[in-house]
Amino acid sequence: GNSVTQMEGPVTLSEEAFLTINCTYTATGYPSLFWYVQYPGEGLQLLLKATKADDKGSNKGFEATYRKETTSFHLEKGSVQVSDSAVYFCALSSGGSNYKLTFGKGTLLTVNP
Amino acid sequence: DTAVSQTPKYLVTQMGNDKSIKCEQNLGHDTMYWYKQDSKKFLKIMFSYNNKELIINETVPNRFSPKSPDKAHLNLHINSLELGDSAVYFCASSSRGGASEQYFGPGTRLTVT
Repeated sequence: GNSVTQMEGPVTLSEEAFLTINCTYTATGYPSLFWYVQYPGEGLQLLLKATKADDKGSNKGFEATYRKETTSFHLEKGSVQVSDSAVYFCALSSGGSNYKLTFGKGTLLTVNP
Repeated sequence: DTAVSQTPKYLVTQMGNDKSIKCEQNLGHDTMYWYKQDSKKFLKIMFSYNNKELIINETVPNRFSPKSPDKAHLNLHINSLELGDSAVYFCASSSRGGASEQYFGPGTRLTVT
């Protein structure tokens, strides 16, 4: 079956530090890959996505590249802000008639001023 | 305008009771989902409906019964509530397609005492 493994948190950084959150996956076929973000007390929002190998998703300074050879989709940001403090979820959708998202366990990021 | 709304936001009830959570989306999507988020933030799909038809039914106790009266609504009824049902329940919707973004509601925090 499908699975997503992302680095355990929590991650604590100072403002303007570089962020990497690792994500690897196991899936049949050619999944679409996503990063969702959950701010405190809110639902999830899509941060970025990639639908095929070597695609790069980007949004709000965050980037992730779909690497089929390493089955990875690591999230990066060059300079984090306090407002980036949230829980980040890597997820995949394997398509077909089943559009469910399989999520990683989430990584809590705290950015200190 | 709220895209995906859920009611109630908080639900505190006693073991053995029956309760319902309602979800509505005004995005014109034809697919809706229920997810459960446990205390460790782990998210798992429970059900998915497409055009009022059940297409995903994960291993969920029979006490949970989804109902979709139309494409814009997906309700979740829970019978004989147990302590282990305490969690945050998220509704989501999307257009059809594995690469489609899922839009999440704000969540319903259910506490069973």
